[in-house]
Amino acid sequence: DAGITQSPRHKVTETGTPVTLRCHQTENHRYMYWYRQDPGHGLRLIHYSYGVKDTDKGEVSDGYSVSRSKTEDFLLTLESATSSQTSVYFCAISEPGQKAETQYFGPGTRLLVL
Amino acid sequence: AQSVSQHNHHVILSEAASLELGCNYSYGGTVNLFWYVQYPGQHLQLLLKYFSGDPLVKGIKGFEAEFIKSKFSFNLRKPSVQWSDTAEYFCAVNAWTGRRALTFGSGTRLQVQP
Repeated sequence: DAGITQSPRHKVTETGTPVTLRCHQTENHRYMYWYRQDPGHGLRLIHYSYGVKDTDKGEVSDGYSVSRSKTEDFLLTLESATSSQTSVYFCAISEPGQKAETQYFGPGTRLLVL
Repeated sequence: AQSVSQHNHHVILSEAASLELGCNYSYGGTVNLFWYVQYPGQHLQLLLKYFSGDPLVKGIKGFEAEFIKSKFSFNLRKPSVQWSDTAEYFCAVNAWTGRRALTFGSGTRLQVQP
């Protein structure tokens, strides 16, 4: 398995509170991604990063922000959590030019917003 | 924008039955194609991938997939399923548009009965 950890693994929070999820990798891969998984939708891209301090939006970025100050860490922040953000969040990594840019996934964070 | 369709949402098979899961994508250019599997409570794992060359791709655990460019399809097959194949299967596409993120289908839940 790729060296990807996510923290926390489970979180329950209340509507309106900020939440930060962390993805940490030990593979020194340049690209990192945040997806959310919801029944009937598969995985949808929230944000991704192509280098330190270089990030871009995905298809469901509203209400989320990200930061990447080090190669190994990619943070996802829910600025003011809503019940619609209850989901399972997966981080992924890839390295352009290696293994044809296969993405490897972390174990996921299950978030419940009450 | 690219999209991925998985028409079988829930498939129930008996052990030793043959499996074929459909995947169609919409993008006219060069694509990389993937199948991921998610066992209950676990993260996504790569099953197989297609980048170029032989359109028949073999993956782990006896799975294979065939890329048919004219049909924009990448169907997953296994000649004889086992109870341990019970999982959710996701098809994903990475179109060579600059963004290196994956677009996922909505997933197919496979239930194999002993």
